[in-house]
Amino acid sequence: DTGVSQDPRHKITKRGQNVTFRCDPISEHNRLYWYRQTLGQGPEFLTYFQNEAQLEKSRLLSDRFSAERPKGSFSTLEIQRTEQGDSAMYLCASSSGTSSGELFFGEGSRLTVL
Amino acid sequence: GQNIDQPTEMTATEGAIVQINCTYQTSGFNGLFWYQQHAGEAPTFLSYNVLDGLEEKGRFSSFLSRSKGYSYLLLKELQMKDSASYLCAVRDPTGGFKTIFGAGTRLFVKA
Repeated sequence: DTGVSQDPRHKITKRGQNVTFRCDPISEHNRLYWYRQTLGQGPEFLTYFQNEAQLEKSRLLSDRFSAERPKGSFSTLEIQRTEQGDSAMYLCASSSGTSSGELFFGEGSRLTVL
Repeated sequence: GQNIDQPTEMTATEGAIVQINCTYQTSGFNGLFWYQQHAGEAPTFLSYNVLDGLEEKGRFSSFLSRSKGYSYLLLKELQMKDSASYLCAVRDPTGGFKTIFGAGTRLFVKA
């Protein structure tokens, strides 16, 4: 396994368009997380899955954001009607159920909204 | 509420020792992590503390005091490649095992 992979790595879109990002976690990891990171800030929690169940969604997330993990494997994050403020790096991470359960991050999907 | 505080920037000299502090206030606590993030790259795991005390791993050590809501990351024998952001993060089991990150401390190592 080569780790967490994300696609696309870069996305440039016009305001008002919809975008979708995909994340493939490490295969044996049952926990999957989405974060958003802007320059000079730490990753901001968006949502969290355990297997296919979405256990928590940040209150900061508007209704324009939705995430799925239909079979407990890969996940998608969709942003509808994008706004310039959505421009950021979207990071996916996965973890196992071990006691430490550290996060393994993908390289991220950078979104630029014009 | 959730609050994790760490200094914005630090500068240290190659070969020296630097300590990066972190204080936290979270709804729950199930472990504290330190991650390293080089510019333009994803964060990578450095250390994990769940009990009070010091955890040592090579040149890096991390300390935790749960009663004080305090941790530090100690980097010894600094190398130029240690120039990066260091992220303090707390896993909060309230409502699920999400990990909350601080804004990070940018460390500059000078020759």
